[in-house]
Amino acid sequence: DGGITQSPKYLFRKEGQNVTLSCEQNLNHDAMYWYRQDPGQGLRLIYYSQIVNDFQKGDIAEGYSVSREKKESFPLTVTSAQKNPTAFYLCASSIIGGVMETQYFGPGTRLLVL
Amino acid sequence: AQSVTQLDSQVPVFEEAPVELRCNYSSSVSVYLFWYVQYPNQGLQLLLKYLSGSTLVKGINGFEAEFNKSQTSFHLRKPSVHISDTAEYFCAVSDASGTYKYIFGTGTRLKVLA
Repeated sequence: DGGITQSPKYLFRKEGQNVTLSCEQNLNHDAMYWYRQDPGQGLRLIYYSQIVNDFQKGDIAEGYSVSREKKESFPLTVTSAQKNPTAFYLCASSIIGGVMETQYFGPGTRLLVL
Repeated sequence: AQSVTQLDSQVPVFEEAPVELRCNYSSSVSVYLFWYVQYPNQGLQLLLKYLSGSTLVKGINGFEAEFNKSQTSFHLRKPSVHISDTAEYFCAVSDASGTYKYIFGTGTRLKVLA
């Protein structure tokens, strides 16, 4: 089955630690996105990438980093500079074409700080 | 720049009653509009989308929405809800210029009562 996988489902971070969230898609989509979800705030865009080896900052990129070395993979690193990382993180992907294409979402990773 | 407002943070409704979840947007350019549903601790699933054409859009699970350009609204409706419709619903907007970025509303939590 085609889809988007995110791992782990739950992740715990200690103070001063960097952690990496995995996002893989086998939909052959060009674009991939990372969102952060906090209660009552909806989804906010962290980073997005429309092509391999290229990515752009979203609205809340500070304290996060990404890479896009392969079309199917878009890992997100939450660095120690992110002072409030506790949230639900969602990865999405879409094709890029003439008409706006739908974003499809993975199941999410919940990050908690110890 | 676009923005999305979901006026109701929570909507309680009895089973088999109709429901309307409101979404208003702001944009100086043409837009695409989406409704997603999120069940607890899961990713987002697309309910329906408006790209062009008929302003009445039908989606999955018996939901529909109407695009009203003059009122800049895209309200979601269902004539008869079920307990299983209890979830959080997000409205999203994207401009039609090809940036492929979504702006999400803050969500409406629908609670269906027996």
